[in-house]
Amino acid sequence: EAGVAQSPRYKIIEKRQSVAFWCNPISGHATLYWYQQILGQGPKLLIQFQNNGVVDDSQLPKDRFSAERLKGVDSTLKIQPAKLEDSAVYLCASSSAGAETQYFGPGTRLLVL
Amino acid sequence: GENVEQHPSTLSVQEGDSAVIKCTYSDSASNYFPWYKQELGKRPQLIIDIRSNVGEKKDQRIAVTLNKTAKHFSLHITETQPEDSAVYFCTAVNTGGFKTIFGAGTRLFVKA
Repeated sequence: EAGVAQSPRYKIIEKRQSVAFWCNPISGHATLYWYQQILGQGPKLLIQFQNNGVVDDSQLPKDRFSAERLKGVDSTLKIQPAKLEDSAVYLCASSSAGAETQYFGPGTRLLVL
Repeated sequence: GENVEQHPSTLSVQEGDSAVIKCTYSDSASNYFPWYKQELGKRPQLIIDIRSNVGEKKDQRIAVTLNKTAKHFSLHITETQPEDSAVYFCTAVNTGGFKTIFGAGTRLFVKA
């Protein structure tokens, strides 16, 4: 069984630029999560999708972050414009049912200069 | 808002000793408690989980206990080995409300 795929693995941008991350969950997994993990901290949930609907985006900075999962499969997370404090690893995870065991992708390491 | 407190933040043990990590959650509707291990530069991976209708679960050297009344749950690793060195995260999940909250993590060092 293929795992959660993410791309790119690394990204370096300057502040005020835009960036987008892509995630393809495990086949058949209805729930998809995006987390932000700042160095030395635990993952912080940014947004959670159930199929193509958002069930929790309470911690998503909506003035600069957006995410979509149009067909209920893969998802993109966008930051526009990026700030220095957005430097982190962005983890995507999926689960077969709402909020059950989550399987994480390798993450995208973002550095904002 | 809801949160999960995890202690200690750092734990250093001698190989063969036991390690205990404790967590407290605030959302009384939490009913599922997975633990994740994250090695340096890698993704978090599930190592054990427990549901609210169970008080204890064991898998070889790893065990987890849950006290729903006190909203406490703990991870116990016995006979630690150097490969147990990693960051461990406790998580409290409200499956009905689609809420997942991670603890801040415990960095475990196992000295050979």
